Amino acid sequence: AQTVTQSQPEMSVQEAETVTLSCTYDTSESDYYLFWYKQPPSRQMILVIRQEAYKQQNATENRFSVNFQKAAKSFSLKISDSQLGDAAMYFCAYRRSLNYGGATNKLIFGTGTLLAVQP
Amino acid sequence: SQTIHQWPATLVQPVGSPLSLECTVEGTSNPNLYWYRQAAGRGLQLLFYSVGIGQISSEVPQNLSASRPQDRQFILSSKKLLLSDSGFYLCAWDGRINSPLHFGNGTRLTVT
Repeated sequence: AQTVTQSQPEMSVQEAETVTLSCTYDTSESDYYLFWYKQPPSRQMILVIRQEAYKQQNATENRFSVNFQKAAKSFSLKISDSQLGDAAMYFCAYRRSLNYGGATNKLIFGTGTLLAVQP
Repeated sequence: SQTIHQWPATLVQPVGSPLSLECTVEGTSNPNLYWYRQAAGRGLQLLFYSVGIGQISSEVPQNLSASRPQDRQFILSSKKLLLSDSGFYLCAWDGRINSPLHFGNGTRLTVT
């Protein structure tokens, strides 16, 4: 069974600085998707970034980028120029490729990293 | 554009009472629908998913059930709540293959 591990329960960063959140996963599959979701105090789950395992190029979305190391099964999130609004719980999630069967978005989540942004 | 509505936002229920949480999606047809639960200090756990009306798959054994009476309506229920049912419940949908998962605002359930 696939698992997702986030070993940093809490992180803190100064405003305008850069922070990296760690995520590792375990799977025997070669084709899958990885996600980072943000959950602010409002508890809404917001998709931050998505990475397809067959793509070697790391995904980027404005100030958010990932370091995807497939062999190491590592998927870290880098937030550049941190802003106060980035303060939230961040979840890493895994989803198997639909090529393995099924048509549903059954995500497996890590336990999250609570990010605090200091002014 | 598509929107997802989930209610109520918060709910306090005594042990042994029934539960009904509702979720509806607008602006799309035939979505996949999901119920996730987030316990305190933990990640999200998939409880149920549905690929069509009347089609429900359960991921974990539990005190809860789900139903999909209409294409864009997903209901989470219980006949008798347990203390362990407390948590934050999130409904979500996606538009089939390779589309991302979109979440509702969630329901905070406290069983006393």
